[in-house]
Amino acid sequence: DAGVTQSPTHLIKTRGQQVTLRCSPKSGHDTVSWYQQALGQGPQFIFQYYEEEERQRGNFPDRFSGHQFPNYSSELNVNALLLGDSALYLCASSQTGFGNTIYFGEGSWLTVV
Amino acid sequence: AQSVTQLDSHVSVSEGTPVLLRCNYSSSYSPSLFWYVQHPNKGLQLLLKYTSAATLVKGINGFEAEFKKSETSFHLTKPSAHMSDAAEYFCVVISTDSWGKLQFGAGTQVVVTP
Repeated sequence: DAGVTQSPTHLIKTRGQQVTLRCSPKSGHDTVSWYQQALGQGPQFIFQYYEEEERQRGNFPDRFSGHQFPNYSSELNVNALLLGDSALYLCASSQTGFGNTIYFGEGSWLTVV
Repeated sequence: AQSVTQLDSHVSVSEGTPVLLRCNYSSSYSPSLFWYVQHPNKGLQLLLKYTSAATLVKGINGFEAEFKKSETSFHLTKPSAHMSDAAEYFCVVISTDSWGKLQFGAGTQVVVTP
């Protein structure tokens, strides 16, 4: 059983460009969340998707947007990249419901130059 | 509202000695609490979780944590450190009103010396 898979693993973008990161949740999971982890910090919640809708959002600007597909996979899009967007982006999946275990992918390392 | 405070940013232990990582939490509602570990350049791996069952929770790799409501603490321990335990550890809280939003602590970097 594959866990949470993310792609790409590493990428380099230029300021002002746009990036799309992808996530496939663990089998049987219907809820996907995205987190940003800057170097030396704990992950920060970006948003969560359930039933193809954004259910909750953290304190991130509208440049950060997402999507969830009918097969529960998800994309994170970031527009107008800033140097400060350089971070590890983590995808987490779970079955909806309080207390269910949340699993993380290995992450996508984004470097903005 | 929910938050966690990890009381130590760095912990250094000798191989074979006990490990203690301290975490205090704040939550408006009944929380679930987790400890995750992150090895260098890796994603997050769940060590253990507390979800209002037994207050002493056993996890993987010999780790355990005790939920103390009166002290609002959820400290992580291991009786004997191994070199492979060197990593970043995160205490995480989620509450019933948060719709699955995890709130992470700032992390504790564990160094294990031979």
